[in-house]
Amino acid sequence: AQSVTQPDIHITVSEGASLELRCNYSYGATPYLFWYVQSPGQGLQLLLKYFSGDTLVQGIKGFEAEFKRSQSSFNLRKPSVHWSDAAEYFCAVGLTSGTYKYIFGTGTRLKVLA
Amino acid sequence: ETGVTQSPTHLIKTRGQQVTLRCSSQSGHNTVSWYQQALGQGPQFIFQYYREEENGRGNFPPRFSGLQFPNYSSELNVNALELDDSALYLCASSLGSGAGRGSGANVLTFGAGSRLTVL
Repeated sequence: AQSVTQPDIHITVSEGASLELRCNYSYGATPYLFWYVQSPGQGLQLLLKYFSGDTLVQGIKGFEAEFKRSQSSFNLRKPSVHWSDAAEYFCAVGLTSGTYKYIFGTGTRLKVLA
Repeated sequence: ETGVTQSPTHLIKTRGQQVTLRCSSQSGHNTVSWYQQALGQGPQFIFQYYREEENGRGNFPPRFSGLQFPNYSSELNVNALELDDSALYLCASSLGSGAGRGSGANVLTFGAGSRLTVL
């Protein structure tokens, strides 16, 4: 069965430190991969996406992610975290068999220390 | 371009009641999907509407139903509310049904959600 795993439920980093959020997926075909961010009381905002091609993708707000097929991973990174990055981050796989839909991970809540 | 708008933003119901949530899709989008996000969880797919017909459903009972209108807006209806229905309900719109590699149809634009509390 298709699944998305985000191993870290909570992560705390200091402002200015680097960040890496992990995402692993289980899906037989080549996936469409996404990272979304959700601030308190808000919906989901798309940070970046991967469909094909260059495995390092750039997104908004200085985020990037790298697709590693051999590890079934799509980790999100940022070189220097800002206090405004505190939010919940969701990794998702777009499934193309049958009805197109996303499978989401359970999310990683990021706390940023001043 | 306007984004996805949902109403109401918050509502409280009691067990057994019925609720209707509304969604206006992003301009130019013709497909609407609904997701349920329970507290501390990732969103779960409820169903999708394309060309005013249900185009797929997740693991939700028939008391979850929906509509899509000719202007591509949509409603989610939940009958016989249960306590476990308390969640954030997210509407997402997209262009097309998701077919086509690398196309914009594969990117969902989400609204801010409707938070339902069932007492």
